[in-house]
Amino acid sequence: GENVEQHPSTLSVQEGDSAVIKCTYSDSASNYFPWYKQELGKGPQLIIDIRSNVGEKKDQRIAVTLNKTAKHFSLHITETQPEDSAVYFCAASIGGGADGLTFGKGTHLIIQP
Amino acid sequence: ETGVTQTPRHLVMGMTNKKSLKCEQHLGHNAMYWYKQSAKKPLELMFVYSLEERVENNSVPSRFSPECPNSSHLFLHLHTLQPEDSALYLCASSQRGGPDPKKFGPGTRLTVL
Repeated sequence: GENVEQHPSTLSVQEGDSAVIKCTYSDSASNYFPWYKQELGKGPQLIIDIRSNVGEKKDQRIAVTLNKTAKHFSLHITETQPEDSAVYFCAASIGGGADGLTFGKGTHLIIQP
Repeated sequence: ETGVTQTPRHLVMGMTNKKSLKCEQHLGHNAMYWYKQSAKKPLELMFVYSLEERVENNSVPSRFSPECPNSSHLFLHLHTLQPEDSALYLCASSQRGGPDPKKFGPGTRLTVL
């Protein structure tokens, strides 16, 4: 089955700096890669996703890049703000949909004021 | 508001108790899921219901019993749990086979004494 590795487990950055979280996956058939943000006391919420027919996707301060050859994808957050502090999860699935998502272990992002 | 609600938000129970977790979605989705979230572990898929029929059971112990009476409601019945079952239990919904990602509820924080 699919295996998703996520690094780092904790990331601390100064407010205003950029943050990068990386994930690798094992199954080359995976073609859908969402990222979720989980704030304290809440469930995970989708923030951005990418499908295998594109290499990069942006949404304001958030971007995701995908390298299918190397089987890794990354989340980039620019101009970090205190409200970006949360746990971020990557996931991968086969079939292009939301079924059968395999999640990484999560990255606790801390934004230092 | 994500459209997926869970009750109760917090639950403390003894190992001999019987309790139930409830999930409700107002998104018109036809699939619902139970996940277990433990510290420093990936999200673990427990059960999947599609059109009110269970389609996946990832070797979950029988002390967890799901019920899906209709496409909007999902229950997780708990009995004779163990302390290691303490975790955040997340409900999610999606349109199975479609491009929409899963929507998660806020979770029930369960503590087993």
